[in-house]
Amino acid sequence: SYVLTQPPSVSVAPGKTARITCGGNNIGSKSVHWYQQKPGQAPVLVIYYDSDRPSGIPERFSGSNSGNTATLTISRVEAGDEADYYCQVWDRSSDHLYVFGTGTKVTVL
Amino acid sequence: DVQLVESGGGVIRPGGSLRLSCATSGFTFDDYGMSWVRQAPGKGLEWVSGINWTGGSTGYADSVKGRFTISRDNAKNSLYLQMSSLRADDTALYYCARWGGSSWNNWFDSWGQGTLVTVSS
Repeated sequence: SYVLTQPPSVSVAPGKTARITCGGNNIGSKSVHWYQQKPGQAPVLVIYYDSDRPSGIPERFSGSNSGNTATLTISRVEAGDEADYYCQVWDRSSDHLYVFGTGTKVTVL
Repeated sequence: DVQLVESGGGVIRPGGSLRLSCATSGFTFDDYGMSWVRQAPGKGLEWVSGINWTGGSTGYADSVKGRFTISRDNAKNSLYLQMSSLRADDTALYYCARWGGSSWNNWFDSWGQGTLVTVSS
């Protein structure tokens, strides 16, 4: 079973940069997608195909993927970015075809 | 606007059955594959099942294989999840989600608000 590991929490001051990592075996060979989930709300796609942004997602959100780590970067962090963030990949050999990361709680100080 | 509205959740005893529905609008339903994703209280996201645009290809997480059945009715723009032999660890908020790409290797670009399933005696 393919496992995606994220730090449980990341804290960042407003206006600074938050980096959320997603670790997986040779994850650089897969496409990674990222979701933002605010309390009591459904997840929202913020990055797909490692670094593409859906329409309506601010340019402050960016992604990268190489080796064993994918990273979601949030620049010029705002209070409204406080949420849980999940990475996701497709893995046909896994017991779950779609694997989600463990999730990271981003706290804006 | 894309809309996904789940229904059918509730409280059910262990071993019981439940059918979830997801009514969609705002897009051409039979152009898209769909999935069910669940989230246990206070936990992360877990993919449950998926179905391609024709309904001819389906997939399940090992944890639900043989107990859950996904289906769709393209004439009604609706997705379903028939759940049986329910267990306490099936307790979760169940989301309906639209595939962002045309193949199984993709992401989820739209989500419903979820329907809560509680399995308890």
